[in-house]
Amino acid sequence: DAKTTQPNSMESNEEEPVHLPCNHSTISGTDYIHWYRQLPSQGPEYVIHGLTSNVNNRMASLAIAEDRKSSTLILHRATLRDAAVYYCILRDDYNQGGKLIFGQGTELSVKP
Amino acid sequence: KAGVTQTPRYLIKTRGQQVTLSCSPISGHRSVSWYQQTPGQGLQFLFEYFSETQRNKGNFPGRFSGRQFSNSRSEMNVSTLELGDSALYLCASGSGGGGGYNEQFFGPGTRLTVL
Repeated sequence: DAKTTQPNSMESNEEEPVHLPCNHSTISGTDYIHWYRQLPSQGPEYVIHGLTSNVNNRMASLAIAEDRKSSTLILHRATLRDAAVYYCILRDDYNQGGKLIFGQGTELSVKP
Repeated sequence: KAGVTQTPRYLIKTRGQQVTLSCSPISGHRSVSWYQQTPGQGLQFLFEYFSETQRNKGNFPGRFSGRQFSNSRSEMNVSTLELGDSALYLCASGSGGGGGYNEQFFGPGTRLTVL
């Protein structure tokens, strides 16, 4: 499984944008980039995923570098509820079923 | 639509005992995966079941086993419990079909404490 590298922790102010980086220099051509987050005392929840193009949904945006060796999860206006551990995960969506390999993730704290 | 449910939510066992945890996936989902979460090792994939068959397996000893029933409900069993098995055990379900991504929905977990 390809490895991802994320900062251990980041801080943000409420209502400001947050950019969470992820490096994945050994990504293969069939790997999708997924982001999950885990709020305190809850199971992880899906945030967003993409392959090559940038993606947007109601929760966040995913910016993928042209060489796909890095990506950035963007929260456009952080709220206190966004304080969580964010995981960047690579997976071959066509061959891995439901399997997710979690790294250490980035713990995001949001200050009021 | 009801979410993923796990029972029990909390469990205390002693070393050497065995334990069975249960997971009911979202209605219609055929894939159930299990994860162990500890402060030291983080979230680790245990195994995945799809249509009553184990489809993927992580790197855990044979003391950890699971099964899936025809209604997609799944159980996980840990035999001969060790202190290091104390963890939050999370279950996730997905629609499971091939040919693309299936979002995984996680339950709240079962907190197992081994004394």
